[in-house]
Parts: sequence; C-alpha cells; structure tokens
Amino acid sequence: NAGVTQTPKFQVLKTGQSMTLQCAQDMNHEYMSWYRQDPGMGLRLIHYSVGAGITDQGEVPNGYNVSRSTTEDFPLRLLSAAPSQTSVYFCASSLRIKGGSTDTQYFGPGTRLTVL
Amino acid sequence: DAKTTQPNSMESNEEEPVHLPCNHSTISGTDYIHWYRQLPSQGPEYVIHGLTSNVNNRMASLAIAEDRKSSTLILHRATLRDAAVYYCILSNSGGSNYKLTFGKGTLLTVNP
Repeated sequence: NAGVTQTPKFQVLKTGQSMTLQCAQDMNHEYMSWYRQDPGMGLRLIHYSVGAGITDQGEVPNGYNVSRSTTEDFPLRLLSAAPSQTSVYFCASSLRIKGGSTDTQYFGPGTRLTVL
Repeated sequence: DAKTTQPNSMESNEEEPVHLPCNHSTISGTDYIHWYRQLPSQGPEYVIHGLTSNVNNRMASLAIAEDRKSSTLILHRATLRDAAVYYCILSNSGGSNYKLTFGKGTLLTVNP
C-alpha cells in the first residue's frame, strides 16, 4: 500500500489565486481529514469527512472547501489564496471503528504552501 | 474538549530511557489517550494509545495513572531517530467524534 499520498509537495501562489491540494489513500479508510501546521505550532483541523459524500468543518475551515466523492480521495480547495494560508498542510486517514476507540490516523508527507 | 499539558522540551541521552509526561486533569471517562510523534519535516505518526490500562507496543509503553488525570509515554532506549515532537492527545470514542486536537507537544532532543 502507498498509504496516504499528497500532491504537490511544494507550492507557491500569489494572493487571490486558487488551487487544489490533492490527498489520496489506498487503505479503504472511511475517515479522512485535513490539518494545517504553522511554524512552531501543533496541527489544527480544517475539514474532515467520515465517508464518501459526508464532510464537516473543523477548527479553522474559513477559506477552504472540501468534497468527498470517493472513498479514496479528499481534495482541499483554496478558492482565493491569502498570505495567512501560508502553512504546511497534512492529510490524514483512519479506519473508522464503530463503537470502539478512535483508530490510528495515518498522515501524508505534507504540502508546503507559500502565498505571496 | 478536554485539554492536555506537556513540557515544551526534554532532553535525553542515547540508549537511556525517556519518560514523557502529560497532564489531562479534565479527561472524561470515554476519552482515549493517544500519543503521536512528528519527526522533522514529516507528518505525524502514531505511537500508542490507551484508555485505562497500561499499554505496550514495539515502539513504546504508555503508563496511565489510576485516576487517569495524567499519563507517561516511555521510550525504553532512546535512539537518535526518536528525536521528534511528541503529542499527547485526547479523543472521545463516543458518537462520531474522531477529531484529534494537537497542542504544541514536547520537543525531545536525544544526545549521542
């Protein structure tokens, strides 16, 4: 298994540009999520999905859109990039265990985004 | 959400045990205690998790206080590769709450 993959690894945008960060997993995980990590900080949850067709907001959703049309893919869209969105973005997935403990979350390698 | 408190940084010597503490005095009865670590320039990776009993796996041990208000991640023999930020996180298994809230974690430095 490739696990969780993210593309691109690096991206530079100008203010106002739009782009989509890609995330894919091949482990048939129901749960997927996006985090951002600013320098010297922990990760903050942006959006998450508990299955295809179901998404919800996390702690810092403003400026980001998501959709989940398939189990495998969970893209994150920036509609109009702002310098405040300069960060490292991590995608994660986990096998949802109903009625049990939260399963292990597997993280991708991250996308380093700079908005000028 | 219940919060955790960890020291900002700790140092250890290679091949010595490391005890990373975490306080979570407002933990609820259904909160699981998770530990993740993040190596430099990488995404976080799972280390261990538990509910009430102490847990062991190939990476580490998790010791949970009897009142569950604190826990300790134990690395039995630190290696240089264990240098990372370690996050102690609580999550609630009830309902659909599978979100993890990361704090700043503990930066572990391992000296050769």
